[in-house]
Amino acid sequence: DIQMTQSPSTLSTSVGDRVTITCRASQSISSWLAWYQQKPGKAPKLLIYRASSLESGVPSRFSGSGSGTEFTLTISSLQPDDFATYYCQQYSSYWTFGQGTKVEIK
Amino acid sequence: QVQLVQSGAEVKKPGASVKVSCKASGYTFTGYYMHWVRQAPGQGLEWMGWINPDTGGTSSAQKFQGRVTMTRDTSISTAYMELSSLRSDDTAVYYCARTRSSKDMDVWGEGTTVTVSS
Repeated sequence: DIQMTQSPSTLSTSVGDRVTITCRASQSISSWLAWYQQKPGKAPKLLIYRASSLESGVPSRFSGSGSGTEFTLTISSLQPDDFATYYCQQYSSYWTFGQGTKVEIK
Repeated sequence: QVQLVQSGAEVKKPGASVKVSCKASGYTFTGYYMHWVRQAPGQGLEWMGWINPDTGGTSSAQKFQGRVTMTRDTSISTAYMELSSLRSDDTAVYYCARTRSSKDMDVWGEGTTVTVSS
């Protein structure tokens, strides 16, 4: 099974900051990676697919990069609505999620 | 609009089974695979399996094989996930989500809370 490891687990940050979350796969997954945002009590929301493609309707401050085993999600200027938990997901072989990164207010 | 509407919360005793439904609307039900993902309280997301609504074919994570049954009724655009031999650690929110040809999950249901308690 492919394992996904996110870092950090928690990120304390402020509005306007640039935020970077890293996701590492236990083996190469090419670009078969997605990023999701989840708020408390809500279903996950797709932000990025195929590692770097922005889902329709998602603000352009979100971007994704990487291939192979290392990937990043970047929020260029954090907005109040962005405080949430973020998950990476591989779909190269079945589907596996990272453990999540909680972005909280400093 | 495209949406997935799930059935309501369930409370079950250990050893029982639960069946969760997911009704699709706003798109061609048979054109997209349907997945099931669960989230235990305070924990991350865990993929359980998928069903191809067109053929009825399924695949599940090894952890759930033998305990999970995924079915569909194309006449009412509804997918079902049944989990048997419930244990307390099956307490979770269960989500359905469709995947596109790119295999990412672009539409999610609102979730169904399943509580397993004696």
